[in-house]
Amino acid sequence: GQQVMQIPQYQHVQEGEDFTTYCNSSTTLSNIQWYKQRPGGHPVFLIQLVKSGEVKKQKRLTFQFGEAKKNSSLHITATQTTDVGTYFCAGDNYGQNFVFGPGTRLSVLP
Amino acid sequence: NAGVTQTPKFQVLKTGQSMTLQCAQDMNHEYMSWYRQDPGMGLRLIHYSVGAGITDQGEVPNGYNVSRSTTEDFPLRLLSAAPSQTSVYFCASSLSYLNTEAFFGQGTRLTVV
Repeated sequence: GQQVMQIPQYQHVQEGEDFTTYCNSSTTLSNIQWYKQRPGGHPVFLIQLVKSGEVKKQKRLTFQFGEAKKNSSLHITATQTTDVGTYFCAGDNYGQNFVFGPGTRLSVLP
Repeated sequence: NAGVTQTPKFQVLKTGQSMTLQCAQDMNHEYMSWYRQDPGMGLRLIHYSVGAGITDQGEVPNGYNVSRSTTEDFPLRLLSAAPSQTSVYFCASSLSYLNTEAFFGQGTRLTVV
């Protein structure tokens, strides 16, 4: 079945440093979503990417969807302590459901 | 707006007991789903529903039942709890399946002893 992988599993950064997490699917995706989960909280939707090669920005966050629609990345510029949490990608392979990756846990040291 | 409401927030069960996790949404969403979250494994889909009266199995359905008699409610039943079902459970809803964001409830932390 479809598998969605994310790297790294954990990332510790100093406040102000950049951060990137990568998401890779074993199958071609029709679209991909990104979620953020704060410690002890629930996943919150960040964005959805649909088109091959698509790039979207939300303030300090930049999301990319690969040309082959099998991978995606989330880049945070100049991290802040409010960025702490786990970032999940979720890929849809033209089925009826999204498959979530295992997440990347980000900690930001002040 | 209440959004997606899950009850209870915490539950401890003994092995073999049954219980129902409640999920309700007030956004008139067609698509609802249940996930379990275990450390290092992300969110795994248990069951989902594309509308009232329609349910289907996800990735890890064994030991769980669901029903969808109304658009608003999507309860998850544990038939005979096992320690392997210790997890955090999230209910989610979205306007439809395609191209729409999912709204998650606050989660239920379940421990089976």
